[in-house]
Amino acid sequence: EAGVAQSPRYKIIEKRQSVAFWCNPISGHATLYWYQQILGQGPKLLIQFQNNGVVDDSQLPKDRFSAERLKGVDSTLKIQPAKLEDSAVYLCASSFIANTGELFFGEGSRLTVL
Amino acid sequence: QQPVQSPQAVILREGEDAVINCSSSKALYSVHWYRQKHGEAPVFLMILLKGGEQKGHDKISASFNEKKQQSSLYLTASQLSYSGTYFCGTSINDYKLSFGAGTTVTVRA
Repeated sequence: EAGVAQSPRYKIIEKRQSVAFWCNPISGHATLYWYQQILGQGPKLLIQFQNNGVVDDSQLPKDRFSAERLKGVDSTLKIQPAKLEDSAVYLCASSFIANTGELFFGEGSRLTVL
Repeated sequence: QQPVQSPQAVILREGEDAVINCSSSKALYSVHWYRQKHGEAPVFLMILLKGGEQKGHDKISASFNEKKQQSSLYLTASQLSYSGTYFCGTSINDYKLSFGAGTTVTVRA
């Protein structure tokens, strides 16, 4: 069974530039999560989708971050404009059952903002 | 609401035991435990649902005390492969899983 796919694995940009990350969850998983993990910290939930609807985005900085999950399958997370403090690993995860089911994480996209 | 984990770090010799605690200020619906090795994605260990159950995964087990709103992860007879950062994730309802800051475990030969 294919795992959660993310791209790109690494991205280096200047502050104020934009960046987009892509995630393809495991087939059949209705719930998709985007987490931000700053070095030395635990993953912080940015947004959670159930199919193509948003369940929670209370910690998403909406003035610069946006995310969509068209057709309830793959998802894109965008940052525009990026700030230095956005440097982190962006983890995408999916689960078959929301929160009582195992989360399968992708390898992450490491963003460095200079 | 982010759960609180303790200790922040622990160093063990092979064969020693350790306990990692995870506590919440709110009533918990479920507790997840994950292990993350350096530069890799978190990997699922186990889930505990409210009801005070205890689960095991090889020599790693966990308990969930609903009344105290806390969970503990037990590493028994630790192996080198147990090294990594352990995260607990909690949900107070049926959605929004929040992770703690993590506990770094180093097992030495």
